[in-house]
Amino acid sequence: EAQVTQNPRYLITVTGKKLTVTCSQNMNHEYMSWYRQDPGLGLRQIYYSMNVEVTDKGDVPEGYKVSRKEKRNFPLILESPSPNQTSLYFCASSPIEDRVGGQYFGPGTRLTVT
Amino acid sequence: TQLLEQSPQFLSIQEGENLTVYCNSSSVFSSLQWYRQEPGEGPVLLVTVVTGGEVKKLKRLTFQFGDARKDSSLHITAAQPGDTGLYLCAGMEYGNKLVFGAGTILRVKS
Repeated sequence: EAQVTQNPRYLITVTGKKLTVTCSQNMNHEYMSWYRQDPGLGLRQIYYSMNVEVTDKGDVPEGYKVSRKEKRNFPLILESPSPNQTSLYFCASSPIEDRVGGQYFGPGTRLTVT
Repeated sequence: TQLLEQSPQFLSIQEGENLTVYCNSSSVFSSLQWYRQEPGEGPVLLVTVVTGGEVKKLKRLTFQFGDARKDSSLHITAAQPGDTGLYLCAGMEYGNKLVFGAGTILRVKS
């Protein structure tokens, strides 16, 4: 089954404790991206990647890191989480044909930082 | 980053009614995507429109991309309770960043 998987689905952590949210897709998509969704602010792009070893900042990259060592994986790293990073996070992927296509979203990771 | 204004924010209608959701920007996008999201799940792609003036139909849903590629609309004919959800438009900037509107919460009452 074609899908985007994220782990963990729920995470409660404390300020300053490094964490990684994994994202994997099995559709051989070139484009992968991370978003956060907050009430009243909608979905905002954190980072995106056009292909292996190519990453770019989205609208809200501060406090986050990403890496794209393999085509299928795009982990999101919070080196020192803070309470303002409490949010619902989505990973997504899409093919690139003549342009970046529609996004296939994962199920989401609900992160709480206390 | 370009902004996408989506309206209305909330829509509550009776089953069988028609509705239109609008997505507007002052800037040009290379393509525009529409998604539907249900509580606790990720957004699901409905359609991508790429050509100015393009109209796409998906059963009772009609999507239009403005001639100038700055705006889009989603029209639903004879809404059903199963159409209830959060509808999101998203514009792809020429730099390959994706910008989302704030969403329209649709509730269809039976």
